[in-house]
Amino acid sequence: AQSVTQLDSQVPVFEEAPVELRCNYSSSVSVYLFWYVQYPNQGLQLLLKYLSGSTLVKGINGFEAEFNKSQTSFHLRKPSVHISDTAEYFCAVSPLTGANNLFFGTGTRLTVIP
Amino acid sequence: DAGITQSPRHKVTETGTPVTLRCHQTENHRYMYWYRQDPGHGLRLIHYSYGVKDTDKGEVSDGYSVSRSKTEDFLLTLESATSSQTSVYFCAIRGRENQPQHFGDGTRLSIL
Repeated sequence: AQSVTQLDSQVPVFEEAPVELRCNYSSSVSVYLFWYVQYPNQGLQLLLKYLSGSTLVKGINGFEAEFNKSQTSFHLRKPSVHISDTAEYFCAVSPLTGANNLFFGTGTRLTVIP
Repeated sequence: DAGITQSPRHKVTETGTPVTLRCHQTENHRYMYWYRQDPGHGLRLIHYSYGVKDTDKGEVSDGYSVSRSKTEDFLLTLESATSSQTSVYFCAIRGRENQPQHFGDGTRLSIL
Protein backbone atom coordinates (compact mmCIF):
# COMPACT_ATOMS: atom_id res chain seq x y z
CA ALA A 1 0.00 0.00 0.00
CA GLN A 2 1.04 3.57 -0.64
CA SER A 3 0.42 6.75 1.31
CA VAL A 4 1.62 10.32 0.94
CA THR A 5 1.85 12.93 3.68
CA GLN A 6 2.15 16.62 2.94
CA LEU A 7 3.12 18.07 6.25
CA ASP A 8 1.85 21.62 5.72
CA SER A 9 -1.66 22.33 4.54
CA GLN A 10 -0.93 26.05 4.07
CA VAL A 11 2.32 27.90 3.49
CA PRO A 12 2.36 31.70 3.33
CA VAL A 13 5.58 33.24 2.03
CA PHE A 14 6.65 36.71 0.94
CA GLU A 15 7.41 37.44 -2.68
CA GLU A 16 11.05 36.72 -3.67
CA ALA A 17 11.60 34.58 -0.56
CA PRO A 18 12.57 30.89 -0.81
CA VAL A 19 10.04 28.17 -0.13
CA GLU A 20 10.06 24.47 0.66
CA LEU A 21 6.96 22.28 0.51
CA ARG A 22 7.42 19.01 2.32
CA CYS A 23 6.34 15.57 1.18
CA ASN A 24 6.92 12.19 2.80
CA TYR A 25 5.67 8.89 1.48
CA SER A 26 5.25 5.30 2.57
CA SER A 27 5.25 2.36 0.20
CA SER A 28 5.91 -1.37 0.27
CA VAL A 29 7.19 -1.24 -3.34
CA SER A 30 9.40 1.07 -5.34
CA VAL A 31 7.61 4.15 -6.63
CA TYR A 32 7.87 7.03 -9.03
CA LEU A 33 7.36 10.47 -7.46
CA PHE A 34 5.59 13.53 -8.80
CA TRP A 35 4.66 17.08 -7.94
CA TYR A 36 1.61 18.63 -9.55
CA VAL A 37 0.34 22.22 -9.31
CA GLN A 38 -3.29 23.31 -9.45
CA TYR A 39 -4.21 26.91 -10.16
CA PRO A 40 -7.72 28.08 -9.17
CA ASN A 41 -10.51 26.41 -11.16
CA GLN A 42 -8.07 24.46 -13.28
CA GLY A 43 -6.84 20.90 -13.60
CA LEU A 44 -3.51 19.59 -12.37
CA GLN A 45 -0.33 20.42 -14.21
CA LEU A 46 2.83 18.37 -13.86
CA LEU A 47 5.67 20.32 -12.20
CA LEU A 48 8.30 17.62 -12.13
CA LYS A 49 8.83 13.89 -11.78
CA TYR A 50 11.41 11.48 -10.41
CA LEU A 51 11.67 8.16 -12.20
CA SER A 52 15.32 7.19 -11.64
CA GLY A 53 18.84 8.59 -11.81
CA SER A 54 19.86 11.88 -10.23
CA THR A 55 18.01 12.54 -7.00
CA LEU A 56 17.78 16.27 -7.72
CA VAL A 57 15.04 16.90 -10.24
CA LYS A 58 14.37 20.20 -11.96
CA GLY A 59 10.92 21.13 -13.16
CA ILE A 60 9.02 23.96 -14.73
CA ASN A 61 8.73 27.50 -13.35
CA GLY A 62 12.04 27.28 -11.47
CA PHE A 63 10.96 24.51 -9.07
CA GLU A 64 13.15 21.59 -8.07
CA ALA A 65 12.78 18.59 -5.78
CA GLU A 66 15.14 16.18 -4.12
CA PHE A 67 14.42 12.50 -3.66
CA ASN A 68 15.74 11.11 -0.38
CA LYS A 69 15.25 7.37 -0.29
CA SER A 70 16.43 6.85 3.29
CA GLN A 71 14.02 9.46 4.60
CA THR A 72 11.30 8.60 2.05
CA SER A 73 10.91 12.26 1.22
CA PHE A 74 10.49 14.32 -1.92
CA HIS A 75 10.48 17.98 -0.85
CA LEU A 76 9.76 20.71 -3.38
CA ARG A 77 11.80 23.93 -3.37
CA LYS A 78 12.03 27.24 -5.15
CA PRO A 79 14.72 29.83 -4.33
CA SER A 80 12.57 32.88 -5.05
CA VAL A 81 8.80 32.80 -5.40
CA HIS A 82 6.55 35.05 -7.45
CA ILE A 83 2.95 36.10 -6.98
CA SER A 84 2.05 33.79 -9.86
CA ASP A 85 3.21 30.78 -7.83
CA THR A 86 0.16 31.09 -5.59
CA ALA A 87 -1.61 27.75 -6.07
CA GLU A 88 -2.19 24.34 -4.53
CA TYR A 89 0.61 21.82 -4.81
CA PHE A 90 0.15 18.06 -4.71
CA CYS A 91 2.77 15.41 -4.12
CA ALA A 92 1.97 11.97 -5.57
CA VAL A 93 3.53 8.52 -5.87
CA SER A 94 2.97 5.75 -8.36
CA PRO A 95 4.07 2.10 -8.09
CA LEU A 96 6.54 1.05 -10.76
CA THR A 97 4.34 -1.83 -11.88
CA GLY A 98 0.74 -2.31 -12.86
CA ALA A 99 -1.38 0.57 -14.07
CA ASN A 100 0.88 3.14 -12.38
CA ASN A 101 -2.05 4.53 -10.40
CA LEU A 102 -1.32 7.77 -8.58
CA PHE A 103 -1.67 8.18 -4.83
CA PHE A 104 -1.89 11.80 -3.78
CA GLY A 105 -1.17 13.78 -0.66
CA THR A 106 -3.81 16.15 0.64
CA GLY A 107 -2.15 19.20 -0.89
CA THR A 108 -0.34 22.33 0.27
CA ARG A 109 -1.78 25.72 -0.50
CA LEU A 110 1.05 28.14 -1.23
CA THR A 111 0.16 31.81 -0.86
CA VAL A 112 2.71 34.36 -2.00
CA ILE A 113 2.36 37.68 -0.20
CA PRO A 114 3.35 40.87 -2.04
CA ASP B 1 -2.67 20.77 -23.48
CA ALA B 2 -2.81 16.97 -23.40
CA GLY B 3 -5.92 16.66 -25.57
CA ILE B 4 -8.41 15.87 -22.82
CA THR B 5 -11.96 17.18 -22.76
CA GLN B 6 -14.34 16.65 -19.88
CA SER B 7 -18.06 17.24 -20.20
CA PRO B 8 -20.07 18.73 -18.74
CA ARG B 9 -17.84 21.22 -16.89
CA HIS B 10 -20.55 21.95 -14.34
CA LYS B 11 -23.66 20.06 -13.33
CA VAL B 12 -26.28 20.41 -10.63
CA THR B 13 -28.67 17.55 -10.07
CA GLU B 14 -30.89 15.98 -7.43
CA THR B 15 -30.34 13.05 -5.15
CA GLY B 16 -31.38 9.76 -6.71
CA THR B 17 -30.92 10.77 -10.34
CA PRO B 18 -28.43 9.07 -12.65
CA VAL B 19 -25.45 11.13 -13.82
CA THR B 20 -22.89 10.40 -16.51
CA LEU B 21 -19.64 12.29 -16.94
CA ARG B 22 -17.61 11.99 -20.10
CA CYS B 23 -13.87 12.10 -20.69
CA HIS B 24 -12.67 12.35 -24.26
CA GLN B 25 -9.04 12.16 -25.37
CA THR B 26 -7.36 12.77 -28.70
CA GLU B 27 -3.97 11.25 -27.75
CA ASN B 28 -4.81 7.57 -28.38
CA HIS B 29 -3.45 6.77 -24.90
CA ARG B 30 -4.07 3.35 -23.41
CA TYR B 31 -4.68 4.35 -19.80
CA MET B 32 -7.52 6.53 -18.55
CA TYR B 33 -8.45 7.40 -14.96
CA TRP B 34 -11.25 9.01 -12.98
CA TYR B 35 -10.47 10.84 -9.73
CA ARG B 36 -12.52 12.87 -7.32
CA GLN B 37 -11.12 15.85 -5.43
CA ASP B 38 -12.45 16.80 -2.02
CA PRO B 39 -11.09 19.26 0.57
CA GLY B 40 -8.74 17.54 2.98
CA HIS B 41 -8.46 14.43 0.82
CA GLY B 42 -6.51 15.48 -2.23
CA LEU B 43 -7.39 13.39 -5.27
CA ARG B 44 -8.60 9.82 -4.91
CA LEU B 45 -8.86 7.25 -7.66
CA ILE B 46 -12.38 6.03 -8.49
CA HIS B 47 -11.84 3.73 -11.48
CA TYR B 48 -9.31 3.32 -14.23
CA SER B 49 -9.07 1.69 -17.63
CA TYR B 50 -6.13 -0.02 -19.29
CA GLY B 51 -7.80 -0.57 -22.65
CA VAL B 52 -11.12 -0.82 -24.44
CA LYS B 53 -13.55 -2.73 -22.21
CA ASP B 54 -10.77 -3.22 -19.60
CA THR B 55 -11.47 -1.41 -16.36
CA ASP B 56 -10.71 -1.82 -12.68
CA LYS B 57 -11.66 -0.27 -9.35
CA GLY B 58 -9.76 2.37 -7.44
CA GLU B 59 -9.88 3.20 -3.75
CA VAL B 60 -13.30 4.95 -3.75
CA SER B 61 -15.31 3.02 -6.35
CA ASP B 62 -18.53 2.39 -4.37
CA GLY B 63 -21.51 4.04 -6.07
CA TYR B 64 -19.69 4.51 -9.38
CA SER B 65 -19.44 2.53 -12.59
CA VAL B 66 -17.41 3.14 -15.74
CA SER B 67 -17.38 2.10 -19.35
CA ARG B 68 -14.89 2.33 -22.18
CA SER B 69 -16.23 1.19 -25.52
CA LYS B 70 -13.73 3.24 -27.56
CA THR B 71 -10.12 4.21 -26.91
CA GLU B 72 -10.97 7.89 -26.83
CA ASP B 73 -13.93 7.87 -24.42
CA PHE B 74 -14.15 6.94 -20.73
CA LEU B 75 -17.52 7.40 -19.05
CA LEU B 76 -18.17 7.68 -15.33
CA THR B 77 -21.73 6.94 -14.15
CA LEU B 78 -23.37 7.58 -10.83
CA GLU B 79 -26.36 5.24 -10.98
CA SER B 80 -28.24 7.01 -8.19
CA ALA B 81 -26.48 10.16 -7.08
CA THR B 82 -26.10 10.97 -3.39
CA SER B 83 -25.05 14.20 -1.69
CA SER B 84 -21.75 12.56 -0.65
CA GLN B 85 -20.83 12.41 -4.33
CA THR B 86 -20.79 16.19 -4.62
CA SER B 87 -17.22 16.80 -5.70
CA VAL B 88 -14.91 17.88 -8.47
CA TYR B 89 -14.17 15.03 -10.85
CA PHE B 90 -10.98 14.82 -12.88
CA CYS B 91 -10.11 12.59 -15.76
CA ALA B 92 -6.49 11.73 -16.52
CA ILE B 93 -4.73 9.89 -19.32
CA ARG B 94 -1.38 8.19 -19.67
CA GLY B 95 0.47 6.69 -22.57
CA ARG B 96 3.44 4.39 -22.14
CA GLU B 97 4.65 3.02 -18.85
CA ASN B 98 6.82 5.45 -16.87
CA GLN B 99 5.03 8.42 -18.35
CA PRO B 100 3.13 10.85 -16.09
CA GLN B 101 -0.61 11.24 -16.08
CA HIS B 102 -2.11 14.34 -17.69
CA PHE B 103 -5.31 15.80 -16.34
CA GLY B 104 -8.42 17.38 -17.78
CA ASP B 105 -9.92 20.60 -16.44
CA GLY B 106 -12.46 18.86 -14.22
CA THR B 107 -16.23 18.62 -13.79
CA ARG B 108 -17.82 20.31 -10.82
CA LEU B 109 -20.80 18.19 -9.74
CA SER B 110 -23.30 19.32 -7.11
CA ILE B 111 -25.98 16.95 -5.86
CA LEU B 112 -28.77 18.57 -3.91
